Amino acid sequence: DADVTQTPRNRITKTGKRIMLECSQTKGHDRMYWYRQDPGLGLRLIYYSFDVKDINKGEISDGYSVSRQAQAKFSLSLESAIPNQTALYFCATSDPDPNQPQHFGDGTRLSIL
Amino acid sequence: GQQLNQSPQSMFIQEGEDVSMNCTSSSIFNTWLWYKQDPGEGPVLLIALYKAGELTSNGRLTAQFGITRKDSFLNISASIPSDVGIYFCAGQIANSKLTFGKGITLSVRP
Repeated sequence: DADVTQTPRNRITKTGKRIMLECSQTKGHDRMYWYRQDPGLGLRLIYYSFDVKDINKGEISDGYSVSRQAQAKFSLSLESAIPNQTALYFCATSDPDPNQPQHFGDGTRLSIL
Repeated sequence: GQQLNQSPQSMFIQEGEDVSMNCTSSSIFNTWLWYKQDPGEGPVLLIALYKAGELTSNGRLTAQFGITRKDSFLNISASIPSDVGIYFCAGQIANSKLTFGKGITLSVRP
């Protein structure tokens, strides 16, 4: 079983719809992250959470919101999806120890028509 | 904000060749990481570097943490077809979030 699980793996939806992407982890890590990946732009941080009561904006948070329901769960929402939010979305987790790297899920491919 | 520069965006090599990738920044980082992403999957950590000047190997991969703390390189020796993918560098200061480069897509011709 994967340590970091993202659902759904693929989603096609229409402009204006509300969408939630979910992430769950079995690693026991306090820190969780949401990134989006676009061709040629690498990974850009949307939101991150260092523990259940902590939520922080990343570099591209506009149009997104998150919820940290539990240590193991971190969901990303698009309240009203628009086509330029079509991308590959990754969840990651890490331990607070700076010597421990981030571990990524396998991604959610989101297409907004 | 901090930025990591990886270029070129794509590299094409022949199977068996060695390849080197650089990552540079105008900012100092305390940790450098190299990740590889296979198609349809999330990035997977290849090598982590924690000290300036550190040289670390993982099989055919070797990476170094630049002495100025502003750069790192990754070498892949004797490339094989399964080395294809996107290679990302990432830097971290203290206990903060990671900054990623834009990635280099590597293609290996048989």
